Amino acid sequence: AQKITQTQPGMFVQEKEAVTLDCTYDTSDQSYGLFWYKQPSSGEMIFLIYQGSYDEQNATEGRYSLNFQKARKSANLVISASQLGDSAMYFCAMRETWDDKIIFGKGTRLHILP
Amino acid sequence: DTAVSQTPKYLVTQMGNDKSIKCEQNLGHDTMYWYKQDSKKFLKIMFSYNNKELIINETVPNRFSPKSPDKAHLNLHINSLELGDSAVYFCASSSQGAYGYTFGSGTRLTVV
Repeated sequence: AQKITQTQPGMFVQEKEAVTLDCTYDTSDQSYGLFWYKQPSSGEMIFLIYQGSYDEQNATEGRYSLNFQKARKSANLVISASQLGDSAMYFCAMRETWDDKIIFGKGTRLHILP
Repeated sequence: DTAVSQTPKYLVTQMGNDKSIKCEQNLGHDTMYWYKQDSKKFLKIMFSYNNKELIINETVPNRFSPKSPDKAHLNLHINSLELGDSAVYFCASSSQGAYGYTFGSGTRLTVV
């Protein structure tokens, strides 16, 4: 079974609009971390934001926020006021505390339209 | 100063050849990883090393052999390359207790 599910293979959004990228996860662990990474066309993996399972507040980093709904096992990324440079592949990922590895979802390709 | 550096960035080689990809991190991290990103962009862990010791080996063919001479280096050697080995290989590192990885810029391997 997939541990990280990203249901949107691709999205098109008008510049300056807010974007929500969906992510659900599956774990029986109580302690885990959730991440979002951005991969532009140049190929590098850029860390965007982190949410710990015990964090009571949603994580925010500049224009990025993580909408964490623990009961629903959901960790959606919200990008406010999208920019052309936000066009990229976005990966949701999870690390269970007992495990040393980060597991990635299949990604969502975001296209920002001028 | 690059935190996690991989060389080479591009590698084109013929089937059957043996090749190596090198990775170095200057972050003082304890753990290093190799991930493979296939043509559909799916990222899958291959190996992890903690302070030169193999921790994770995710059912990777034994043609792939990681080597960690010290905790700042994790190299990947691939024997008898096959067409299906074509992918982008990412090295990453993290420190114990830290929550995320720092990735290298990736090595695009093309087997022809």
